[in-house]
Amino acid sequence: AQSVTQLGSHVSVSEGALVLLRCNYSSSVPPYLFWYVQYPNQGLQLLLKYTSAATLVKGINGFEAEFKKSETSFHLTKPSAHMSDAAEYFCAVRYSGAGSYQLTFGKGTKLSVIP
Amino acid sequence: DGGITQSPKYLFRKEGQNVTLSCEQNLNHDAMYWYRQDPGQGLRLIYYSQIVNDFQKGDIAEGYSVSREKKESFPLTVTSAQKNPTAFYLCASRHTDTQYFGPGTRLTVL
Repeated sequence: AQSVTQLGSHVSVSEGALVLLRCNYSSSVPPYLFWYVQYPNQGLQLLLKYTSAATLVKGINGFEAEFKKSETSFHLTKPSAHMSDAAEYFCAVRYSGAGSYQLTFGKGTKLSVIP
Repeated sequence: DGGITQSPKYLFRKEGQNVTLSCEQNLNHDAMYWYRQDPGQGLRLIYYSQIVNDFQKGDIAEGYSVSREKKESFPLTVTSAQKNPTAFYLCASRHTDTQYFGPGTRLTVL
């Protein structure tokens, strides 16, 4: 079965430090890839998406992600963490052939930002 | 203001009762989805609908039912057959390749 792996259920960074959240997918065929953010007791908000155009994708709030086919990865980064970045982040993948654009989600990474 | 609304935000249910969660969108999207979220589990697909009067089971449909009588509405019923219904439920609609999410309903079984 197709899967999405997010390494680290919890990540802590200091304010101003680099944020790196990892996501790996399981397919030899490049899929569509998404990062969503969720604040407590809220829905998911789209941060960015990769749909086979540029491999470096820029999103909202200063986040970006790079698609690396050789590593089957789509890691999310932000150069300088802000307190408002504390939230849970989900990587999602639409695999080729997935009916009705179904998404497979990772289990999420909760980001804490230390002042 | 376009968007997806879910109501209620919090819902309490006694064991053995059916309960219906509302999802409405005014984005004119054809496809809609229901997900269940449990802590540390990510999102799991319950049902989806690509068009009015049509819907398909997702990965965890047992104990749930849906209807799609109108384009803008996709209600989810949690039946008494669902053995562990306490969770956060998220509705989404899709435009081209991207799903957009509502604010969620937190269901607690007492």
